[in-house]
Order: sequence, then structure tokens, then C-alpha cells
Amino acid sequence: DTGVSQDPRHKITKRGQNVTFRCDPISEHNRLYWYRQTLGQGPEFLTYFQNEAQLEKSRLLSDRFSAERPKGSFSTLEIQRTEQGDSAMYLCASSKTGGTEAFFGQGTRLTVV
Amino acid sequence: GENVEQHPSTLSVQEGDSAVIKCTYSDSASNYFPWYKQELGKGPQLIIDIRSNVGEKKDQRIAVTLNKTAKHFSLHITETQPEDSAVYFCAAYMDSNYQLIWGAGTKLIIKP
Repeated sequence: DTGVSQDPRHKITKRGQNVTFRCDPISEHNRLYWYRQTLGQGPEFLTYFQNEAQLEKSRLLSDRFSAERPKGSFSTLEIQRTEQGDSAMYLCASSKTGGTEAFFGQGTRLTVV
Repeated sequence: GENVEQHPSTLSVQEGDSAVIKCTYSDSASNYFPWYKQELGKGPQLIIDIRSNVGEKKDQRIAVTLNKTAKHFSLHITETQPEDSAVYFCAAYMDSNYQLIWGAGTKLIIKP
């Protein structure tokens, strides 16, 4: 399967714990995006990478959120000191440089209890 | 900033009939308009897209139209089938910030 892969698919954590999600984009895609989606809403942009450089960050991305793409391949999204309001589906997408078609992974559903 | 409005929020049609979902966008600099289908528990799947230099695009039972002057774009699904049941999202994209701005989604229900 050469699609976008996200791990884990589901994560339940206690409030205050740290969590980390991984995204493996389509191999030839230089651009990688993270989105957050809550029930009944469209995805909201969080951040964007061009290769290893993080070029855009949404105001939604508080200081507790950090994303990396160290070698321009896979990416991680870490949430520190999780809050109940962080419960959502976290989606990763990738696209080619100069391309606009973004392909999404299956998402990681986070539940903070 | 860019804003995308999508209507209706829920659409129920008889199997075999057509379905139309409409979106409007606010920023005239938007130049790419994809449509995504999302099934329960899955990520959005790109089903069709259109660029600002094109007025209409068709792929089998699915078509998208764009009116740049009115800042409207629409998704048309003909001969609907049960597997078309899902949530459909429209989005608008600008090269300037690499972001997709999404509509709130339309839940499409196909009645047998």
C-alpha cells in the first residue's frame, strides 16, 4: 500500500499525559500537512512541511503542540499535557511539490479522558 | 481570511436520483477546489477537483462546476447508489498559504 499511513489509529489517554502520532506520507511527496477534525466539522489546518522545513503553523497549534519532520520523510505530532478539548481526529495528508492534490491518511482518533 | 460555506448540511435522495451540493468561497485568490468523500472512521478521499481556469469537470457519475464570478462551485452526483452515502466536503486552496479551507460538510443519505 503506497498511501498515507498514520499510527496509531486510535489513542486513549488520561488528561495531562503526552501523546505522539506518526505519519508516513506517500514516498515521492515533499509536502506534508497535519489537520484536526472534530465530529461534524471539516478538517482544520494545523501545520505544513515542505521537506523537513515547517513553513506554516496555525494559531490552533498552541505551545503544547509540536510537529517535526526530521529527514523530510515521516512526521510526528506531539501533544503535551493533553486536555479534554484535544479529543479529535488528527489527519495527515501529503502532496507533491507544486501539486495541489492532497491525499489523506486514515487519521488517528485521540480520546482524552 | 478565506471562508467556505457549504449547503445543505444533510441531503437525502432516492437511489438513482441526482444529488447536488453547493459551496461558496470568499477569497477570489483561491485557485483550486477539491471535493472529498469521507466515510465513517476513515480519512477524506479526494473524488474530484477543479482549477480556476476551468468551468466544469466530469468523471463518470460525478461532475463539478465552478462559477468564478459568483465564487460558487458545486458537486453533482448522478444515478446515486447506496455506496455514495457518506459525508462530502468541499474545500478551497490558495497558493499563497498552501492551506485547504474546508466547508462544514454535507451528509448524503441514499434511500433504497
